[in-house]
Amino acid sequence: DVKVTQSSRYLVKRTGEKVFLECVQDMDHENMFWYRQDPGLGLRLIYFSYDVKMKEKGDIPEGYSVSREKKERFSLILESASTNQTSMYLCASSPDPSTDTQYFGPGTRLTVL
Amino acid sequence: AQKVTQAQTEISVVEKEDVTLDCVYETRDTTYYLFWYKQPPSGELVFLIRRNSFDEQNEISGRYSWNFQKSTSSFNFTITASQVVDSAVYFCALSEERYNQGGKLIFGQGTELSVKP
Repeated sequence: DVKVTQSSRYLVKRTGEKVFLECVQDMDHENMFWYRQDPGLGLRLIYFSYDVKMKEKGDIPEGYSVSREKKERFSLILESASTNQTSMYLCASSPDPSTDTQYFGPGTRLTVL
Repeated sequence: AQKVTQAQTEISVVEKEDVTLDCVYETRDTTYYLFWYKQPPSGELVFLIRRNSFDEQNEISGRYSWNFQKSTSSFNFTITASQVVDSAVYFCALSEERYNQGGKLIFGQGTELSVKP
């Protein structure tokens, strides 16, 4: 079974803090993704990576950065958290572009006060 | 531009009723993939099905069935004899075949299904 894990299920931070969200997959997948989920908006892609040290902007990258130093780990960074970044963050991985099926982690619900 | 529309925000049914979740998509590509995911209250998205644009055969898996119609750009999902455990948010998604795009998914807004006993 594919397993994607995220470091925290719930996180509360203060405005201006630097926030790290960690995602680890154990299936040697090439591609990893970060989404945020908001009511009425579905899931929106923040960043993705198709190889170690490679990253591509998604649809809403502003205010975020990512790091992929190892194949199994993809980190989402909020350099200076703001209240409008309060959301559910979902990480996903997929084996390769041709198969496309993405497997998701349990999500991190981030609240920025 | 790619777009996925799930017009039904919330659906409520009574157990054992059949229910259909609608999904309409827009794409200019001839090669693309369509997906359905289920998000139970626990939060983790669970993959249900993947369909490519060249395969219009309907699919049945137990109580689940999917109707793909390119003529109307729709990929609808039917649950037969619904159960309380089917209560979840269901997402339809679209992916276009692009080199080194990692299979980017465009999600619909989701349909929250509530099945009451």
